[in-house]
Amino acid sequence: AQSVSQHNHHVILSEAASLELGCNYSYGGTVNLFWYVQYPGQHLQLLLKYFSGDPLVKGIKGFEAEFIKSKFSFNLRKPSVQWSDTAEYFCAVNAGAGNMLTFGGGTRLMVKP
Amino acid sequence: EPEVTQTPSHQVTQMGQEVILRCVPISNHLYFYWYRQILGQKVEFLVSFYNNEISEKSEIFDDQFSVERPDGSNFTLKIRSTKLEDSAMYFCASSHIDNEQFFGPGTRLTVL
Repeated sequence: AQSVSQHNHHVILSEAASLELGCNYSYGGTVNLFWYVQYPGQHLQLLLKYFSGDPLVKGIKGFEAEFIKSKFSFNLRKPSVQWSDTAEYFCAVNAGAGNMLTFGGGTRLMVKP
Repeated sequence: EPEVTQTPSHQVTQMGQEVILRCVPISNHLYFYWYRQILGQKVEFLVSFYNNEISEKSEIFDDQFSVERPDGSNFTLKIRSTKLEDSAMYFCASSHIDNEQFFGPGTRLTVL
């Protein structure tokens, strides 16, 4: 069965620091990859997605992610975080037939002002 | 911007009771989903629904669970006889053909 791992459970950064959140998945075939964000008290929102093409994907709010097929990874990056980026970030994978998403365990990011 | 909505936001029920969780997906979406997140655990897929039938379901989605699209707007999840371990946040989602899933705010189900 496919699985998704997010190795950082909690990350604390100061404003303007750079961010990289790891995501690895286990599935050998074609995958669609997603990063969702959940701000405090709000619902899951899509940050960015990869279906095919350029492995460097740009999303909303200055986030980007890079799909590295050989490493089964889809890491999320932002060059300079803001206090408003404090949230929980979820990596998700859709693999094989069907539309179901398999989620990682989430990473709680706290950005100190 | 269109949103997925869910009601109620919080449901408390006694073990063994039936509950129905309601969702209104985005109006032009074709695929509908339920996920759940037990406190401290991952978001888990339960079921997807397309063209008025279940298209995928997980091992969690056993005979106690059912889904229905009773009219053109609502999508419901029924748990026939709730157990303590059904306590979780239940998320509804919908997507068009591109599988970009939009999530609702969730219903927190507490089974006592």
